[in-house]
Amino acid sequence: ETGVTQTPRHLVMGMTNKKSLKCEQHLGHNAMYWYKQSAKKPLELMFVYNFKEQTENNSVPSRFSPECPNSSHLFLHLHTLQPEDSALYLCASSQLFGANVLTFGAGSRLTVL
Amino acid sequence: GESVGLHLPTLSVQEGDNSIINCAYSNSASDYFIWYKQESGKGPQFIIDIRSNMDKRQGQRVTVLLNKTVKHLSLQIAATQPGDSAVYFCAENYSGGGADGLTFGKGTHLIIQP
Repeated sequence: ETGVTQTPRHLVMGMTNKKSLKCEQHLGHNAMYWYKQSAKKPLELMFVYNFKEQTENNSVPSRFSPECPNSSHLFLHLHTLQPEDSALYLCASSQLFGANVLTFGAGSRLTVL
Repeated sequence: GESVGLHLPTLSVQEGDNSIINCAYSNSASDYFIWYKQESGKGPQFIIDIRSNMDKRQGQRVTVLLNKTVKHLSLQIAATQPGDSAVYFCAENYSGGGADGLTFGKGTHLIIQP
């Protein structure tokens, strides 16, 4: 176990559904991240939280809404997604904000129909 | 555009042989490089990193080489084992880049033949 747990591991949703991805880290890290991993594309940083305060939002559409209630939990709320949003969504954490060594979860595989 | 990339998307080697995975970068300001390994069904996992003031760094069965002149990075895996089968990503960053500056390559799929 990596110390970063993501649920659900697989999710299928329609374009009008509302769902949430959950991430929990048991490492005592202070920063948490959401990345999108699509086939044949590099990892894309979506959101960054430092001590539960959002510091980055890399032009992510508003249909993705992050939430970080505390430094151990991170959510990604999904609403009216498009088929091109189908991807593996990876949560990561690091001891310090902006660190290059990240601990990733196993990801949530999202399919939008 | 993407500044970090890999020469080969797939690399197949015999078990026990050495593997070399290559990576090119274009940002001259990059001074930190890192390799991640992603096994099937798992998230990326840190392998080894190197700063630009070094040319070589060794870990357990892995060696990273950095050639700043040609902006080239490689990961060498000695005596490959079945557990080495994975996708390997290089990534780069620059001083002060923070989370937004960490740029990943697309990945090379390493396949270990028995």
